[in-house]
Amino acid sequence: NAGVTQTPKFQVLKTGQSMTLQCAQDMNHEYMSWYRQDPGMGLRLIHYSVGAGITDQGEVPNGYNVSRSTTEDFPLRLLSAAPSQTSVYFCASSYSRFSGNTIYFGEGSWLTVV
Amino acid sequence: AQSVTQLDSHVSVSEGTPVLLRCNYSSSYSPSLFWYVQHPNKGLQLLLKYTSAATLVKGINGFEAEFKKSETSFHLTKPSAHMSDAAEYFCVVSDQNSGYALNFGKGTSLLVTP
Repeated sequence: NAGVTQTPKFQVLKTGQSMTLQCAQDMNHEYMSWYRQDPGMGLRLIHYSVGAGITDQGEVPNGYNVSRSTTEDFPLRLLSAAPSQTSVYFCASSYSRFSGNTIYFGEGSWLTVV
Repeated sequence: AQSVTQLDSHVSVSEGTPVLLRCNYSSSYSPSLFWYVQHPNKGLQLLLKYTSAATLVKGINGFEAEFKKSETSFHLTKPSAHMSDAAEYFCVVSDQNSGYALNFGKGTSLLVTP
């Protein structure tokens, strides 16, 4: 099993450009989430999905778009990148909605918007 | 809503001395609590988790944490610090029915000096 795979690992964007961060998991997990990590802020939830076709907003959803067409994939789209979106992004997946089950994180995607 | 407060943004210890990283939580229900570690430019690794079983939780690499409901605390300890323990540590809480949505503390940076 590859677990949770994020691509790209590093990306530099210009302000106004669009891009998609890819996230894929091969564990047949229903639940997937995107977080961003900023210095001194911990990780904050951007969007999450509880199954194919179902997504919802987290704490900091503005400027991001998601969709979940398959169980395996949960891409995060930046439609018009802004310097405030410079951050490290983590994708996560889990089998159950109940806490205590293992949550698997990807290795992270470092994004810089100039 | 659940939240956690990490009481120290930076902690410095000497190698071989005890480690104490403090975390207080706020939750309307019985929470699930976690500690994650992140080494520089790396992903997240689960150290340990509390899910309403034993209040003293043992994790990997000699770390443990004690859930104290009366004090709403979940402090992380290790009897003897090692140089390899230098990293960022996150206290995390989730609701029992929304385990896929984690609320992270802002992190504590642990420095271990020779």
